[in-house]
Amino acid sequence: GAGVSQSPSNKVTEKGKDVELRCDPISGHTALYWYRQRLGQGLEFLIYFQGNSAPDKSGLPSDRFSAERTGESVSTLTIQRTQQEDSAVYLCASSLGPVGTTTSYEQYFGPGTRLTVT
Amino acid sequence: AQSVTQLDSQVPVFEEAPVELRCNYSSSVSVYLFWYVQYPNQGLQLLLKYLSGSTLVESINGFEAEFNKSQTSFHLRKPSVHISDTAEYFCAPSSGGYQKVTFGTGTKLQVIP
Repeated sequence: GAGVSQSPSNKVTEKGKDVELRCDPISGHTALYWYRQRLGQGLEFLIYFQGNSAPDKSGLPSDRFSAERTGESVSTLTIQRTQQEDSAVYLCASSLGPVGTTTSYEQYFGPGTRLTVT
Repeated sequence: AQSVTQLDSQVPVFEEAPVELRCNYSSSVSVYLFWYVQYPNQGLQLLLKYLSGSTLVESINGFEAEFNKSQTSFHLRKPSVHISDTAEYFCAPSSGGYQKVTFGTGTKLQVIP
């Protein structure tokens, strides 16, 4: 596809249920990021994948959050036992990666998944 | 780890007036600097970037930012704003070749007709 896609676009779930969010990066992009944007706040880094290296999970807020990525393709962010404070827009971004070009650092963002926990 | 400060959460400005959105970051070691913009009901997109070379960088829609190493700043400026510039602007520095960037809390620019 032409850009980063995310699904679903909107998700309403009950407190305590698990949710899975999906991100399809731009083909060929080796780096993939997940961010969280709460209403009226900035972007909060969650996790970063680069190729086959171990992911940087330093931004995950609790062990209820986990993410996977198979190779350089689709990634899923899973939130277990959702809480109301998990309500936010979850953004995925991809970038070309460290291939020695000046464009490799630009992140391309998906439209986000708006998660509402009731 | 890199940190970033955007002091102004909201900036109202009249159309055709100049504007400056401030950004300060913590580390100057091999820093790369980005400004991203989020227009109403749209996704984030890159506005401009500094990687190396000239410290003054420009966007296609008239914004510019200057890398100031001594003041660890990367303020965004435009001499004359337009209604269509109404958006939220995020400063995002990264450090030393590492792909991870740190996003600021954003500044909402409101252009008043």
